Parts: sequence; structure tokens; C-alpha cells
Amino acid sequence: EPEVTQTPSHQVTQMGQEVILRCVPISNHLYFYWYRQILGQKVEFLVSFYNNEISEKSEIFDDQFSVERPDGSNFTLKIRSTKLEDSAMYFCASSFIGELFFGEGSRLTVL
Amino acid sequence: QKEVEQDPGPLSVPEGAIVSLNCTYSNSAFQYFMWYRQYSRKGPELLMYTYSSGNKEDGRFTAQVDKSSKYISLFIRDSQPSDSATYLCAMSARTGNQFYFGTGTSLTVIP
Repeated sequence: EPEVTQTPSHQVTQMGQEVILRCVPISNHLYFYWYRQILGQKVEFLVSFYNNEISEKSEIFDDQFSVERPDGSNFTLKIRSTKLEDSAMYFCASSFIGELFFGEGSRLTVL
Repeated sequence: QKEVEQDPGPLSVPEGAIVSLNCTYSNSAFQYFMWYRQYSRKGPELLMYTYSSGNKEDGRFTAQVDKSSKYISLFIRDSQPSDSATYLCAMSARTGNQFYFGTGTSLTVIP
């Protein structure tokens, strides 16, 4: 069964460092998303991406964040200068129409 | 007013019980409704997807959407210990728009 895959599963970084989280969405899907979940809290929307551009972003998705689809399969989230409060699970998701499928997540720990 | 309200529980039931999980929402434009199951430190797993109003059944799971009351439900019949997880509702107005999540209901099924 097709699935969304994410790498790395866990990344530990120092505050101020840049981090790139990678995702391979389901192959025929058109819409791509990043969400995050701080431990014990709700799933929060970061950004949606369609037709090679951002279609919607939240207040969380400020200038330190960027997304890119560098080729036909990968979808990346870059955090330019990580802060302690960026520690969270980051989930990539994709959809064709309606149903939204999530990856297993990348756990980011900022020290 | 929050977009999506969900009772966080925790909910504890004996094995074999019928479980009822609910969410209310405020945005009448929502038309895509989903229920996810999430185990600790894992990605949300799509359980049920409903477009617009009505009921949908899949095995032991039944999803109901009442758009007039802005209320959605998930019923789990013959609950099993393996159903112990956090259940998230999510909804969106359009494909490509963000999906709004409830806070999740923690369910424990006691053998």
C-alpha cells in the first residue's frame, strides 16, 4: 500500500543550526502538507503546497521556515535557525482529493 | 471560539464495549471529515473519511456527520485492547486547505 515516508525519524540539533526534514509523498498525490505536534499537544498546521507553490500557511510558518519540492518525488521542510521551542514531531502529509495521509513523522530535538 | 472542539478524555472502557467519540465545529464550510488513530510518538493513521453529511461504516467503525448540528461522531463496536490510542478528528473546507484538528481523545480499552 502506498505510504508517505519521512526522514530522518529523529534528529538532534543545537539551537541556531539549520535542519532539513525530508518527505516522499504518495506518488499520485497533488497536495502536500507539513504539520507539527509538540509532545502532548494538538496537531498544528504549518503549510500546504500545491502546483509548486505554497497555497496556505499558518502563523507558525514564519521566515525561519521554508518548503521546497526539489524534484518530482521529494518535499522538504527547512528550519533555518532552530529554537528550543521548535522541538516537536513534524509530520508530512499528502492528499489527492479529500483524504489526507500522514507519514510516521520526524522527531526534532533542539538542545 | 475554536474551529474544532473535542473532549480530550481520557476515556476508559471494558473490552467489547461500544465507544462513542465526538467533535463539534464552528465553520459551516467544512465538508471533508476524517478520523485518525494515533499511537504514542507515531503518525496519525487515517481510519475513516467522509465527504459532506451522512454515515460511513468500515468493519467495527462507523463515522457520522451531521452538518446541520456541526457535529461528527466515530463509533467503535466490540472494542479491543488494541484500539487503545488517541483518536483525532480533522476537517477541512476544500482540498488543499489546511485540515483543522481536534485535540484528540485518549481511549483505553481494558481487557
